[in-house]
Amino acid sequence: SQTIHQWPATLVQPVGSPLSLECTVEGTSNPNLYWYRQAAGRGLQLLFYSVGIGQISSEVPQNLSASRPQDRQFILSSKKLLLSDSGFYLCAWSGGSDTQYFGPGTRLTVL
Amino acid sequence: GQQLNQSPQSMFIQEGEDVSMNCTSSSIFNTWLWYKQDPGEGPVLLIALYKAGELTSNGRLTAQFGITRKDSFLNISASIPSDVGIYFCAGHAIYNTDKLIFGTGTRLQVFP
Repeated sequence: SQTIHQWPATLVQPVGSPLSLECTVEGTSNPNLYWYRQAAGRGLQLLFYSVGIGQISSEVPQNLSASRPQDRQFILSSKKLLLSDSGFYLCAWSGGSDTQYFGPGTRLTVL
Repeated sequence: GQQLNQSPQSMFIQEGEDVSMNCTSSSIFNTWLWYKQDPGEGPVLLIALYKAGELTSNGRLTAQFGITRKDSFLNISASIPSDVGIYFCAGHAIYNTDKLIFGTGTRLQVFP
């Protein structure tokens, strides 16, 4: 069966520091991968999605970037974090159907 | 980006009561999905709907894909304390099947 992992689970970073969040999927090949951000008590905002290695589509202009160095690895990065980058970051994958499956999330607090 | 209109925004009910929430869109959708999110965790898929009129159950949960393809509802029967959480609808609009559009969520609180 397929599983999706996110690392780390929680992160506290100072403003201006770099960021790297990792998402890995097991048990499937060539998944579509997604990064979402969820502000407290709010819905999900799509940040990036990828349909294959090296293929990244950005939804919202911001100081975040994404990369897909391997088929089942998706990384969210920033060179300099802002206070507004705080939130709950969710990675998701989908296969041949329209259904997306979410990881456990990373809680990022920027101080 | 577009968000689906989900209602109610929050519900406070007593254990054993039935719950109903719905989601509407101004656009036609190809897919409707319902997720539940517990605090501090990722959303978990409850039910997926792929055809207009489709009625699907998952235990005490029942969801329907509206005939007009612009709405969906989720019912929970005989609620229990572990039903507490935020329920999100989501779907793929016909004009953009690559991206999942989410509702604003319904926060459910169940009192014993």
